[in-house]
Amino acid sequence: QSALTQPASVSGSPGQSITISCTGTYRDIGYYNYVSWFQQYPGKAPKLLIYEVSNRPSGVSNRFSGSKSDKTASLTISGLQAEDEADYYCTSYTRSTTLVFGGGTKLTVL
Amino acid sequence: QVQLVESGGGVVQPGRSLRLSCVASGFTFSSYGMHWVRQAPGKGLEWVAVIWSDGSNEYYPDSVKGRFTISRDNSKNTLYLQMNSLRVEDTAVYYCARDRSPSFAYIDYWGQGTLVTVSS
Repeated sequence: QSALTQPASVSGSPGQSITISCTGTYRDIGYYNYVSWFQQYPGKAPKLLIYEVSNRPSGVSNRFSGSKSDKTASLTISGLQAEDEADYYCTSYTRSTTLVFGGGTKLTVL
Repeated sequence: QVQLVESGGGVVQPGRSLRLSCVASGFTFSSYGMHWVRQAPGKGLEWVAVIWSDGSNEYYPDSVKGRFTISRDNSKNTLYLQMNSLRVEDTAVYYCARDRSPSFAYIDYWGQGTLVTVSS
């Protein structure tokens, strides 16, 4: 049950767009549309941003969007703001009836 | 609103046991699957266990299978995690989390976590 692969860090300036990738296998991301993304601030619990690849829960800004192609899911944040500086995690349901997380990506707003 | 409050964390010696609890409120607990997820200090998230809404199914990753047991008491709106044969590498903040479905789909709400430290 290997973790999904995310870049360790990404950065961007206010107003720009950034994309975080999340690569899995044909046993998880490539098989199901149960990909979620979470945002986590230091010392806080994660918060759901995106579920089922591209759906946003009510209350989440439309600056956050998700997509998937083959074995790779992506989270795009547009109109970057200082408050977006946080850690971001992807996750996927797997064919082994388990949940697997990505290693996390630290977003720095320059 | 959905609230999940974990308790039971603390310092424990390697090889000993500990039981975590998570009290749920603000939703019909018996209608949702529930998870435990942990985060070692300075590290990423790791899924630990899931249990179906009626308790009929449980699943674990290999890292805790045979040592940890998830259970629930729907009459008390409470989720549990029994952790046996604890290892230093089990040191982490343990989060209770709700699944969006009665079984296993995706996590939508998290508790604030409880810290477990395994050390001699």
